[in-house]
Amino acid sequence: GAGVSQSPSNKVTEKGKDVELRCDPISGHTALYWYRQSLGQGLEFLIYFQGNSAPDKSGLPSDRFSAERTGGSVSTLTIQRTQQEDSAVYLCASSLDGAGGREQYFGPGTRLTVT
Amino acid sequence: KQEVTQIPAALSVPEGENLVLNCSFTDSAIYNLQWFRQDPGKGLTSLLLIQSSQREQTSGRLNASLDKSSGRSTLYIAASQPGDSATYLCAVMSGYNKLIFGAGTRLAVHP
Repeated sequence: GAGVSQSPSNKVTEKGKDVELRCDPISGHTALYWYRQSLGQGLEFLIYFQGNSAPDKSGLPSDRFSAERTGGSVSTLTIQRTQQEDSAVYLCASSLDGAGGREQYFGPGTRLTVT
Repeated sequence: KQEVTQIPAALSVPEGENLVLNCSFTDSAIYNLQWFRQDPGKGLTSLLLIQSSQREQTSGRLNASLDKSSGRSTLYIAASQPGDSATYLCAVMSGYNKLIFGAGTRLAVHP
């Protein structure tokens, strides 16, 4: 595809519900990253995928957060039992591969609001 | 632990002024440093990427410098315009290509 796409663009959910956020990386990019931008914390790293494996998941804030990537392409970030503090913009980025210093290309983000 | 600081947090200037935005980082073991622009409610637009072996990059009215040993970068905007109003984010890339972001500088350029 032309760029990184994310869906949905906006999601409003009730506290306690589970949500799934989707990221489609640029075609051929093997590395994929999730970040979160919230009012109180700024923009922070969540998880990194190289192919289907996640060598670095150090940024996931709790065990309610999980992510998977299948077929080395699409990734899904799942938040279980959402809390109000999960409200944020979730950004996905991809890069050609995991070689050091590869530029990351960002998607438009999913704005999650937990009521 | 890598920390990125941006100064000032906010800046308001009249159109036409030349600007300097500052970014500092605590660990010099970085792959590169990148400047982004973010408009309200929008995603990130990459402005300039400086590899660790480089000293500066230029694009149009923008110039970014990198002094890795001192942990500093500056973004210079020449002849500012109202359309430059946005939040400017600095990010350094280290270990597993993780980007660590600063809190940003909110710029307002008024006519």
